[in-house]
Amino acid sequence: GENVEQHPSTLSVQEGDSAVIKCTYSDSASNYFPWYKQELGKGPQLIIDIRSNVGEKKDQRIAVTLNKTAKHFSLHITETQPEDSAVYFCAAKTTDSWGKLQFGAGTQVVVTP
Amino acid sequence: GAVVSQHPSRVICKSGTSVKIECRSLDFQATTMFWYRQFPKQSLMLMATSNEGSKATYEQGVEKDKFLINHASLTLSTLTVTSAHPEDSSFYICSAQDRAFGDSPLHFGNGTRLTVT
Repeated sequence: GENVEQHPSTLSVQEGDSAVIKCTYSDSASNYFPWYKQELGKGPQLIIDIRSNVGEKKDQRIAVTLNKTAKHFSLHITETQPEDSAVYFCAAKTTDSWGKLQFGAGTQVVVTP
Repeated sequence: GAVVSQHPSRVICKSGTSVKIECRSLDFQATTMFWYRQFPKQSLMLMATSNEGSKATYEQGVEKDKFLINHASLTLSTLTVTSAHPEDSSFYICSAQDRAFGDSPLHFGNGTRLTVT
């Protein structure tokens, strides 16, 4: 089955700097890679996703890149703000997996003013 | 965007009792809903896949008689924790897909914090 590894487990950045979180996956059949942000005591919120037919996607300060050959994908947050502080999860799935996501272990991001 | 509502947000129950958690898709129909469990500072662990009109599919190691799932309509799935014990204390989160868009993103509810005393 799919195995998703996520690094780093914690990330502390100064406000205004960039944050990068990296994930690798094992199943070459995986074709959908979402990123979720989870604030304390809340459910995960989808912030961006990418499908295997594109290599990069951007939404304002957030971007995701995908390298299918190397089987890794990354989340980039630019101009970080204190409200970006949260736990971020990457995930992966295949089309025929009924929407069952395999999650990474999560990254605690702390943005310090 | 798609909204998934989960209720209650918090529940405290005594050991041996049962607790029901509801998951509703508010503005879309969901053929399939998923139930996850999350321990503190850990990732989400899929417990079961809830299919409208049929039996749920449980992940390995999840007791189907302890975690009863009912998906009675295209907008509602329930998870009942039966004969709860302190080790069942956890954060339970549901998610759902919009049926109209096939392979659409998964949207999550805000979770239910269960504490068993």
